[in-house]
This record gives sequence, C-alpha cells and structure tokens, in this order.
Amino acid sequence: AQSVAQPEDQVNVAEGNPLTVKCTYSVSGNPYLFWYVQYPNRGLQFLLKYITGDNLVKGSYGFEAEFNKSQTSFHLKKPSALVSDSALYFCAWGALVNGNQFYFGTGTSLTVIP
Amino acid sequence: DTAVSQTPKYLVTQMGNDKSIKCEQNLGHDTMYWYKQDSKKFLKIMFSYNNKELIINETVPNRFSPKSPDKAHLNLHINSLELGDSAVYFCASSHGLAGAYNEQFFGPGTRLTVL
Repeated sequence: AQSVAQPEDQVNVAEGNPLTVKCTYSVSGNPYLFWYVQYPNRGLQFLLKYITGDNLVKGSYGFEAEFNKSQTSFHLKKPSALVSDSALYFCAWGALVNGNQFYFGTGTSLTVIP
Repeated sequence: DTAVSQTPKYLVTQMGNDKSIKCEQNLGHDTMYWYKQDSKKFLKIMFSYNNKELIINETVPNRFSPKSPDKAHLNLHINSLELGDSAVYFCASSHGLAGAYNEQFFGPGTRLTVL
C-alpha cells in the first residue's frame, strides 16, 4: 500500500541544537510530499513541499527538508531548534492516481527543551 | 480576517442526535476538505470537493454527508451520532487538488464530543 511513515512518535531536542523529524515514503511514481505543523489546539499549517527538481526544499520558519529518492525519505530539518518549534509535525503525500489521493503520516511530537 | 473558519468550535451532544458543522473559506480556493483527527492525533481525510463536485470520498459511514452550496462553503452533517464520532474535525481548502502539489489551509477545528 502506498503511504508515508513517521517512525518516531516523539522527538526531544535541546534548544539551539539541530533537529530532524523523519519521514519515509512508499509511493510508486513521483510523489508530491509535504510537511505540516500543528501547534496545540490549532489547525495544521503548511511548512514546505517537494514537487520535483531541487532535492533540498526550504520552507517556513527556517525549516527545510531533503528528498532522498534512494532512501525514500523526506526528513524535516532545522539547524537550530527553538522552544516555539515544539509542536506536532505531519508528513503527507499526494498523487493524482486513481483520481485524487492525499494521506497524512501518523505525526511526530517534537519537544524542544530549554 | 480568518482564512478558513469553522463553526462551532466545540460541540457536545448526545448519542443519536444529528448535528452539522459549517466551514467557510475566503481565500478564493476551489477545493475544500473535511478531515477527522482522533484522540491519538491521527488525521484522516474524509471528503474533498472541487468546484462543488465530490472528488474524494473515503470510507466513512454514510451517516456523514458533506454539502457544498458554493465553492466557499463545505458543511458536514452527521446523523445518528455515535460515541466513536468524538474527534476533532478540520476543514481545509486549497487552490486545485491536494493530490497535485497544492498546499492546504486549515481551519481551527471543531471538537465534537458525543456523550
């Protein structure tokens, strides 16, 4: 089945340290991949997306993600974590296959420790 | 101005009742969605409308019926509410189809509690 996986339910990182939130995909063809963030008691906000082209995608709030076709990964990264980055992060994929498909991963809760 | 708004924000009701959640977007988008987020924070798409036409209709009970009176509105009506319907429901919109490469804009969510 086509999907994205977020292998870590929870990630803790110290403020100022680099952070990585992992996402792997199992999608045939060329997937469109997204990262969204959900702050407590809020709706989701778009961070960045990969369509095609440059494998390093830069997004909002200093986040970036690297599309790695050989490892089928699309990890979210930030060079220096802020306490305000603490939130729930969702990887997602979409495709115009069998009509229209769009699925979110299971989410990773990021806690940045002061 | 709020881009995607939902009403009500909280909804507490008894089993067996019928309720509706309203969604409006002022972004000029042509595609709108309903998502369900359960207690474990899993997000699942329920419906998607593009230009008032149903595009995605995931396997949800037919007690759930979306209604799109125009491109700016997508309402969700739920009949015969069950305990398992308790969740947070998010509305979203995008320009074009999400399965393409268009980001979605989400509303603040409606927390439904069925007693």
